[in-house]
Amino acid sequence: DAGVIQSPRHEVTEMGQEVTLRCKPISGHNSLFWYRQTMMRGLELLIYFNNNVPIDDSGMPEDRFSAKMPNASFSTLKIQPSEPRDSAVYFCASSLTSGGESEQFFGPGTRLTVL
Amino acid sequence: GDSVTQMEGPVTLSEEAFLTINCTYTATGYPSLFWYVQYPGEGLQLLLKATKADDKGSNKGFEATYRKETTSFHLEKGSVQVSDSAVYFCALKTLGRLYFGRGTQLTVWP
Repeated sequence: DAGVIQSPRHEVTEMGQEVTLRCKPISGHNSLFWYRQTMMRGLELLIYFNNNVPIDDSGMPEDRFSAKMPNASFSTLKIQPSEPRDSAVYFCASSLTSGGESEQFFGPGTRLTVL
Repeated sequence: GDSVTQMEGPVTLSEEAFLTINCTYTATGYPSLFWYVQYPGEGLQLLLKATKADDKGSNKGFEATYRKETTSFHLEKGSVQVSDSAVYFCALKTLGRLYFGRGTQLTVWP
């Protein structure tokens, strides 16, 4: 299995631009998670989906952030407009279910730099 | 709320030294507990887990025991290797969500 695939691996953009991060979960996994990692705040859950439906988006910082999962094999995280404080590494993870014993598999992350 | 506190790093050890990274948690209910490892430039990988009190998770020489009475899940390894150098995250899972500690950077010198 290829594991969780994220693209791009690196993104440099200017303040005010729209940024779209992409994720392909492991085939057969029903839960998908978006995390943000920064030095200041550590690793934070932004949003997660079960069976393509958003379950908990309480970690999404503000209205500039949006996430979609149009089908079981693809999800996007969009930031519009982007700001320098959005600079971070964004991870996507997937698991068979969201249950307690179900392991989350992480992608390699997208390093976002907003100038 | 649910949270995890782990010892601040960085931790620097010589090869074959004993490792302990402390982790305590606060949670309602009965969470599952995890240790994840992150190598430079990579995503997190599950190292070990425990799903109920007194369970011991183990993998690659690392161990951690779920202690409900002390709300702890300390990571230990008897003899570290240079290849163990990485960032280690303690985490708890409840109601489908993972809550991570801040991470502990471990560097092992030959």
